[in-house]
Amino acid sequence: AQSVTQLGSHVSVSEGALVLLRCNYSSSVPPYLFWYVQYPNQGLQLLLKYTSAATLVKGINGFEAEFKKSETSFHLTKPSAHMSDAAEYFCAVSPYSGGGADGLTFGKGTHLIIQP
Amino acid sequence: GAVVSQHPSWVICKSGTSVKIECRSLDFQATTMFWYRQFPKQSLMLMATSNEGSKATYEQGVEKDKFLINHASLTLSTLTVTSAHPEDSSFYICSARVREGLAGEQETQYFGPGTRLLVL
Repeated sequence: AQSVTQLGSHVSVSEGALVLLRCNYSSSVPPYLFWYVQYPNQGLQLLLKYTSAATLVKGINGFEAEFKKSETSFHLTKPSAHMSDAAEYFCAVSPYSGGGADGLTFGKGTHLIIQP
Repeated sequence: GAVVSQHPSWVICKSGTSVKIECRSLDFQATTMFWYRQFPKQSLMLMATSNEGSKATYEQGVEKDKFLINHASLTLSTLTVTSAHPEDSSFYICSARVREGLAGEQETQYFGPGTRLLVL
């Protein structure tokens, strides 16, 4: 069984400040981890993914995330927030198996608010 | 990245009617597609896994007779909400799975833009 916990349903930061969105996972097998962003009334866009290669993963729009097995975490960061980063962010987990994986298990999402 | 489209982007229908939503992979073939449902200000919940050429696999609590899924080709999956009722109003999102890696052991899901359904 897998699960994802995103701490904080809402995170507010000032423009130019550090963005930190927290994600902790639970998985019985080595996981694949994903961060998606959703803008209002749109589908999900993949920001980045961890697939057991490098623990520090760089994504689009200046985001990156670090996989920490000891902490079962995959927090998303961006050094300097931009107004266009305001959106809903979802962390998701997928089980690893030799034959691939099934549907993603999503966290409840974190709404990122950027203050001018 | 891979592009997934959905049609229609939004639909309003009367209670009791059926609505079909299409999910297409535009520049790749997808043997597996997924259908999710998202209520306002909530996360995505997996409804079913759609496999090309075979029956869909439904998650617990999802009525397969109400949410009919057909995956007749490698680029198209359809979700039909039969006899829709107001409680079926939601945002429906599909995704298509792309397998990567030498043994296909890695996957990425690419999502469609979603379909907003409002049942009156």
